[in-house]
Amino acid sequence: EVQLVESGGGLVQPGGSLTLSCAGSGSAFSLSWMHWVRQTPGEGLVWVSRIHADGSNAKYADSVKGRFTISRDNAKNTLYLHMNSLRAEDTAVYYCATDWYYTLNYWGQGTLVTVSS
Amino acid sequence: DIVMTQTPLSSPVTLGQPASISCKSDQSLVHSDGFTYLSWLQQRPGQPPRLLLYKISSRFSGVPDRFSGSGAGTDFTLKISRVEAEDVGVYYCMQATQLPITFGQGTRLEIK
Repeated sequence: EVQLVESGGGLVQPGGSLTLSCAGSGSAFSLSWMHWVRQTPGEGLVWVSRIHADGSNAKYADSVKGRFTISRDNAKNTLYLHMNSLRAEDTAVYYCATDWYYTLNYWGQGTLVTVSS
Repeated sequence: DIVMTQTPLSSPVTLGQPASISCKSDQSLVHSDGFTYLSWLQQRPGQPPRLLLYKISSRFSGVPDRFSGSGAGTDFTLKISRVEAEDVGVYYCMQATQLPITFGQGTRLEIK
């Protein structure tokens, strides 16, 4: 089983930047594709981004393309989401999750990002 | 993007009775490799989502056998054979056949 712990959430002003981290346990982390998914009461669950195990082939939702960057450091078993030009509509709980044969089998507890002045 | 539509949005159920949730996609979820990447997630109050079923009907590790999935193409169903108190929460269908991954709106299961 993979344990995932997100951190880095908080309050940021519109137009600001924030970097989320997701620390994974176990050797399986470095072998797994990883995703970020966010959740709001209004929109529900929304996929944000995905990255392959070797750090290649990053994909993004249209709503964040050009503003967010996904990356990982397998030596540190850590996934990142660098978020720039934040907007009020980016306010959400952000989850990282492992990809296992085209499903999301393990999820972290989430970290809350609030974009407000 | 593939749109996932769940019904009902709320399901009051008596303990020990069955429950059923429907999920429909607006495009076929059959991947070019022949598999259908439709999953069901459970989110208990205050918890992150948890994987229950993947590839329509395969139960993930530790998931009780009272949970089952069926369907094909664009129509899918999650069934709980006998609802227990710990099943309270919101259930989501999710497709990963095509990016972006998309989710249903969620169905809230509550006890009558």
